[in-house]
Amino acid sequence: AQKITQTQPGMFVQEKEAVTLDCTYDTSDQSYGLFWYKQPSSGEMIFLIYQGSYDEQNATEGRYSLNFQKARKSANLVISASQLGDSAMYFCAMRERDAGNNRKLIWGLGTSLAVNP
Amino acid sequence: GAVVSQHPSWVICKSGTSVKIECRSLDFQATTMFWYRQFPKQSLMLMATSNEGSKATYEQGVEKDKFLINHASLTLSTLTVTSAHPEDSSFYICSARGSGALGLMNTEAFFGQGTRLTVV
Repeated sequence: AQKITQTQPGMFVQEKEAVTLDCTYDTSDQSYGLFWYKQPSSGEMIFLIYQGSYDEQNATEGRYSLNFQKARKSANLVISASQLGDSAMYFCAMRERDAGNNRKLIWGLGTSLAVNP
Repeated sequence: GAVVSQHPSWVICKSGTSVKIECRSLDFQATTMFWYRQFPKQSLMLMATSNEGSKATYEQGVEKDKFLINHASLTLSTLTVTSAHPEDSSFYICSARGSGALGLMNTEAFFGQGTRLTVV
């Protein structure tokens, strides 16, 4: 079963508008972390924002905010005031421990965001 | 944020040769480094986890003899694709995690720029 689910393969948004990218997760761990990354066509993986499972406040980083709803196990990324440069793939990832107690990231399949002028 | 540098950015090699990819943490000590492979339009697939000074832990299905990982220092891990074949052509990317530090240094937040390998 998919542990990280990104239900939107592709999204369009008008420049200067806000957009929400969905991410739901599944874990039985009490301690975990949630990450969002941006991957432009160049391939680099750009860290955007992090939310720890014990953080009570939603994380924010500039135009990025993470709408963390623990009971629903969702960690949606909100991008405000979209810019043309925001066009990229966006990945949601969860850090958890595997059967050997090793920490690793579990990845969603990604959402391709296109910002229209 | 922390800087992770990966080299080379792209490489073309002949079938049967070996290719080495370097992953360096420039401003922190990376006790753990992760190597991923990414096929076009797909998500990242974890290949192996390397801890400084010890053998790498490979994910199921990854050939350890083909993908040699060395993590000899706290700032450098290398991935060597041995006897490369066209099916090894892919995008390889590393990430690094520090320890004993607070904040994001102790997470898997930071990635190298990635290496696009083409085997001809």
